[in-house]
Amino acid sequence: AQKVTQAQTEISVVEKEDVTLDCVYETRDTTYYLFWYKQPPSGELVFLIRRNSFDEQNEISGRYSWNFQKSTSSFNFTITASQVVDSAVYFCALSGLIIQGAQKLVFGQGTRLTINP
Amino acid sequence: GAVVSQHPSWVICKSGTSVKIECRSLDFQATTMFWYRQFPKQSLMLMATSNEGSKATYEQGVEKDKFLINHASLTLSTLTVTSAHPEDSSFYICSARPQTGLSSYEQYFGPGTRLTVT
Repeated sequence: AQKVTQAQTEISVVEKEDVTLDCVYETRDTTYYLFWYKQPPSGELVFLIRRNSFDEQNEISGRYSWNFQKSTSSFNFTITASQVVDSAVYFCALSGLIIQGAQKLVFGQGTRLTINP
Repeated sequence: GAVVSQHPSWVICKSGTSVKIECRSLDFQATTMFWYRQFPKQSLMLMATSNEGSKATYEQGVEKDKFLINHASLTLSTLTVTSAHPEDSSFYICSARPQTGLSSYEQYFGPGTRLTVT
């Protein structure tokens, strides 16, 4: 069975601080995909990143960076110099290899991030 | 590109009535659509997977007769909550996976529908 654990339920920091959101996953698949989504108060999910299990390169996109470590089954997300607009719920998700058109996304519980001015 | 819409964005209905929620892929054809439910301050839980032209596959614990899913075309899936009760009040989100042309492992999410049953 696949499982995603986001141990941090809520994080609150002051603007401009760096913050890391943790994500640990479990899967027996050798090929899988990891995702991060942002859900602002409006509710719409915003796609941030996708990583496949064969690509362990870390990625940086502006103030966002992701650290994927297969050895520890983790896919952590860091926001540098946080801003109030970063306040949202962030979900880490996992899917296996697509089989017969079905691709299930398993979501973590989410981390509610609040950036205070 | 890859836009998914949902209608309505919010709905209030009385207990015992049925509500239909539409999910449309606006600029691509979707082989597969997914329906999720999200209770307040909780995660998204997959309810069912629907493939165009075939019966939906429901997750364990989801009542098929209560949550009717129809995927009549490659751009439209509907979720009907039958005989709604207050405990069905939730945020319902759909997603769509493209048939071709775009990454086959992408899911594009709709903006969600907030259902309140009184």
